[in-house]
Amino acid sequence: DTEVTQTPKHLVMGMTNKKSLKCEQHMGHRAMYWYKQKAKKPPELMFVYSYEKLSINESVPSRFSPECPNSSLLNLHLHALQPEDSALYLCASSPWTSGSAGETQYFGPGTRLLVL
Amino acid sequence: RKEVEQDPGPFNVPEGATVAFNCTYSNSASQSFFWYRQDCRKEPKLLMSVYSSGNEDGRFTAQLNRASQYISLLIRDSKLSDSATYLCVVSLLGGFKTIFGAGTRLFVKA
Repeated sequence: DTEVTQTPKHLVMGMTNKKSLKCEQHMGHRAMYWYKQKAKKPPELMFVYSYEKLSINESVPSRFSPECPNSSLLNLHLHALQPEDSALYLCASSPWTSGSAGETQYFGPGTRLLVL
Repeated sequence: RKEVEQDPGPFNVPEGATVAFNCTYSNSASQSFFWYRQDCRKEPKLLMSVYSSGNEDGRFTAQLNRASQYISLLIRDSKLSDSATYLCVVSLLGGFKTIFGAGTRLFVKA
């Protein structure tokens, strides 16, 4: 099973709402990632977890709060978002077997978020 | 200067054509290199990793020149199904930090 799943597929929320995006993989991967992708732009790295610990936070505003409850799950909690946060949010995972670079990242289909 | 720069595109080519994409990266500490493909409204998918010795997968050939900090992708005998955005990807910091180029859009026409 080389699949990363994300829910929901689409999400519309108001600026005062609290919502969460979920990502799951059952490939035994130990690194998981959140990316943000705006239309006609490449994905931009937001957060990286390795072995359930936050390894990289690319200076993401605190209205985005990641959580890694276990090695298979990655959440992104959203609160008080702005319309400019509307984007495709992609989750990815990679094996991290050797602790070195060069591993393929497997992407989920993404959640399309619209903030009104 | 962007950390990863690609040909702006789009590239419009007929079926059967050979097309080459170029990519440069600015951080000499970059450790791994990839080409991903992204179809419209879909997630990126790995096309191939790029090694210093060059590597080939069917109609696709990737090259890396570390001295020039340059990566290339050659597609031979283009198919309609090759139409997509091709993303040059560089990773550093032990593989955690992944930087995508802006992508080059390819349209293959019958």
